[in-house]
Amino acid sequence: DADVTQTPRNRITKTGKRIMLECSQTKGHDRMYWYRQDPGLGLRLIYYSFDVKDINKGEISDGYSVSRQAQAKFSLSLESAIPNQTALYFCATSDFGTNYGYTFGSGTRLTVV
Amino acid sequence: DAKTTQPTSMDCAEGRAANLPCNHSTISGNEYVYWYRQIHSQGPQYIIHGLKNNETNEMASLIITEDRKSSTLILPHATLRDTAVYYCIVRVSPSNDYKLSFGAGTTVTVRA
Repeated sequence: DADVTQTPRNRITKTGKRIMLECSQTKGHDRMYWYRQDPGLGLRLIYYSFDVKDINKGEISDGYSVSRQAQAKFSLSLESAIPNQTALYFCATSDFGTNYGYTFGSGTRLTVV
Repeated sequence: DAKTTQPTSMDCAEGRAANLPCNHSTISGNEYVYWYRQIHSQGPQYIIHGLKNNETNEMASLIITEDRKSSTLILPHATLRDTAVYYCIVRVSPSNDYKLSFGAGTTVTVRA
């Protein structure tokens, strides 16, 4: 099993619908992140959480919300999806106590029509 | 985090070593050099990191110059599956900086 699992892998949804992307990890890392990637724009941080009771906005949080249900689970919600939220979404984890970088999930390709 | 400069793209023959340069002339003494790669539409993958000494793992080797202003990632025997965008990042570790900033990276194409 992957260390960081994202579901679904692909999703097509209609404008105005609420959608949730889920992320779970088996790394035991305390920190979790949601990024989106658009062609030519690199990775942009949406939300991050340093532990279960900690939620922080990233650089593009408008239109999104998150929930850290447990140390291992971090979900991203689009309250009312719009077409410009069509993107590739990545969940990532890291551990403050080690140097070994970030671990990313395989991504969720979301299309809003 | 210090700024890095990488070539936009490079080609490599399958089975040959791929040497990917990165300049980080403003690196601070407590900043590490990290390398990640992203194979098309997959999540970025951590490759290796180092502070001052050269490092090697099962994926690659990292050579850091003595003045730490540049480094080279070496893929010793490139395969077609190594075709990806490679990112060089410098950052303090451990860090409370939540944001991991990837630049444009180097697009590496391994050719048969």
